[in-house]
Amino acid sequence: AQKVTQAQTEISVVEKEDVTLDCVYETRDTTYYLFWYKQPPSGELVFLIRRNSFDEQNEISGRYSWNFQKSTSSFNFTITASQVVDSAVYFCALSEARGSQGNLIFGKGTKLSVKP
Amino acid sequence: NAGVTQTPKFQVLKTGQSMTLQCAQDMNHEYMSWYRQDPGMGLRLIHYSVGAGITDQGEVPNGYNVSRSTTEDFPLRLLSAAPSQTSVYFCASSYLAGTGGSLGYTFGSGTRLTVV
Repeated sequence: AQKVTQAQTEISVVEKEDVTLDCVYETRDTTYYLFWYKQPPSGELVFLIRRNSFDEQNEISGRYSWNFQKSTSSFNFTITASQVVDSAVYFCALSEARGSQGNLIFGKGTKLSVKP
Repeated sequence: NAGVTQTPKFQVLKTGQSMTLQCAQDMNHEYMSWYRQDPGMGLRLIHYSVGAGITDQGEVPNGYNVSRSTTEDFPLRLLSAAPSQTSVYFCASSYLAGTGGSLGYTFGSGTRLTVV
């Protein structure tokens, strides 16, 4: 069965610290997509990244980086030199190619608080 | 480009009242869905659609109806509101990958619904 686990419910860091948000997924499909979304205090859900199962290359976008490891079924998200504006709830999600009908399965989210 | 337009942003209902949450997208996405977000529960799928005339139930469909008469619109109807339906509701739309699976949701801005 498909499942996404974000074991960290809440994380609190001080500005400029690096922080890694963990995401572990379960799927029987060989083709799937992984996502990260950000939900700032204003409430909207913002797409950050998509990774497909055939592309394990890590990605960096500014202070954000993502580490995808199929061997451990993990898709972790690191924020380098965190800022107060990074404070948000972050969701990891999975979409399988077969059987999902396009639905995303979301983790419960990790609330990140960055203090000045 | 409007993306996904969701209305209203806020609504207060009395128990037993009915109402419709509107969702429209202008990206010609095949897939649309409704989620509810409750504290500690993450995002839970209510109903979804993979094309005009096709709808299906998600994880928590009871008390809600949907229809998809056009590609653009996917309204969510609350038949007889109950306090348990107090929540934040998000509409989402997506392209579907040729091999199946979602290429990532675009979310509406959300509707905060309170049932008293």
